[in-house]
Amino acid sequence: KAGVTQTPRYLIKTRGQQVTLSCSPISGHRSVSWYQQTPGQGLQFLFEYFSETQRNKGNFPGRFSGRQFSNSRSEMNVSTLELGDSALYLCASSDDTEQFFGPGTRLTVL
Amino acid sequence: GIQVEQSPPDLILQEGANSTLRCNFSDSVNNLQWFHQNPWGQLINLFYIPSGTKQNGRLSATTVATERYSLLYISSSQTTDSGVYFCAVEDGGTSYGKLTFGQGTILTVHP
Repeated sequence: KAGVTQTPRYLIKTRGQQVTLSCSPISGHRSVSWYQQTPGQGLQFLFEYFSETQRNKGNFPGRFSGRQFSNSRSEMNVSTLELGDSALYLCASSDDTEQFFGPGTRLTVL
Repeated sequence: GIQVEQSPPDLILQEGANSTLRCNFSDSVNNLQWFHQNPWGQLINLFYIPSGTKQNGRLSATTVATERYSLLYISSSQTTDSGVYFCAVEDGGTSYGKLTFGQGTILTVHP
């Protein structure tokens, strides 16, 4: 089975712009979770989608949003980017047990 | 929410040495996973171990759920074992898809 894929792998944006990141889960997995990793805060949970429904949400501002499509692919969007949004964004897919992570998207906000 | 503490924060070893990494968590869990993060940022699954003991080559892990801790053992360490090791848990409530991570243990193996 192919693993979790994320696009793009690297992204440079400027403050105030918005960005959309994409995640394709392992075939057959219906759950997709998103995480943000920064040196200061470590790995933090953003949200989780299962069969196109958001089941869980972390403590991030409303600028961070996501969605899931009928084929289980997921996107996350960050609007009005801030310098502090620079991070590695990881998605994980699951069959509701073990989570498997993609390679991440490294976002730099200038 | 659930708290996850890993120890030690840093570990430096010579090649061939053995090590034990510890993960303490503050509440009951549905899921506990150990990961190794490579230099490019990818999280590699090591173990899915909400309870019991598992072994995979030179690595093994034990979770004692009733005492709220897990241990990761690395035997005969190699330089390729270097990196950051994370423990992550999903608590026993309605935390769908939410893993809470520890701060990690940075392992450096010298030749």
